[in-house]
Amino acid sequence: QKEVEQDPGPLSVPEGAIVSLNCTYSNSAFQYFMWYRQYSRKGPELLMYTYSSGNKEDGRFTAQVDKSSKYISLFIRDSQPSDSATYLCAMQGGSEKLVFGKGTKLTVNP
Amino acid sequence: GAVVSQHPSRVICKSGTSVKIECRSLDFQATTMFWYRQFPKQSLMLMATSNEGSKATYEQGVEKDKFLINHASLTLSTLTVTSAHPEDSSFYICSASVSGYEQYFGPGTRLTVT
Repeated sequence: QKEVEQDPGPLSVPEGAIVSLNCTYSNSAFQYFMWYRQYSRKGPELLMYTYSSGNKEDGRFTAQVDKSSKYISLFIRDSQPSDSATYLCAMQGGSEKLVFGKGTKLTVNP
Repeated sequence: GAVVSQHPSRVICKSGTSVKIECRSLDFQATTMFWYRQFPKQSLMLMATSNEGSKATYEQGVEKDKFLINHASLTLSTLTVTSAHPEDSSFYICSASVSGYEQYFGPGTRLTVT
């Protein structure tokens, strides 16, 4: 079992839809959870950063962490074509190293 | 804030030559810098971690003599791909961190070895 599992998609939604992206993990030591957005041929951009369990909201983005289920989610409300990108979950625990999921490619159609 | 730059953004070189990629934190001092490699439609794979003034720590399977990392200051790290071969063609991305937890990524460098 990989440490971090993420469905690569692709995921295609109409503009305005609510998008749900998810990752599962196996390492109980993970304490820090991030979501990155990566546009084609660009470096990842940090979107959300969460410590331990709970929810965090930033504008149209909400990150949820459920440590008991080892499951994290990113919700995007009122999705826009400019949200079309690959979304990577990443986790840390016990060291500086980030462990990434494979990324989910999202397309928001106008 | 938290801007990281990379130079060059794209480089094409001939097989057997060496290529140097620079990573700079522009508006903060980075205690740690990381180098990643990303193949098409794949996730980021950590190559090495470097702290200013000390030797880099390489991940298992990464050849330290081939991928030379120098972290000369709190704002600059370099990755040199020595004796490059076509299989080294990839997207190389650096990140920089102040606390060791939040990492800010550069825009990446696309290396093509012909």
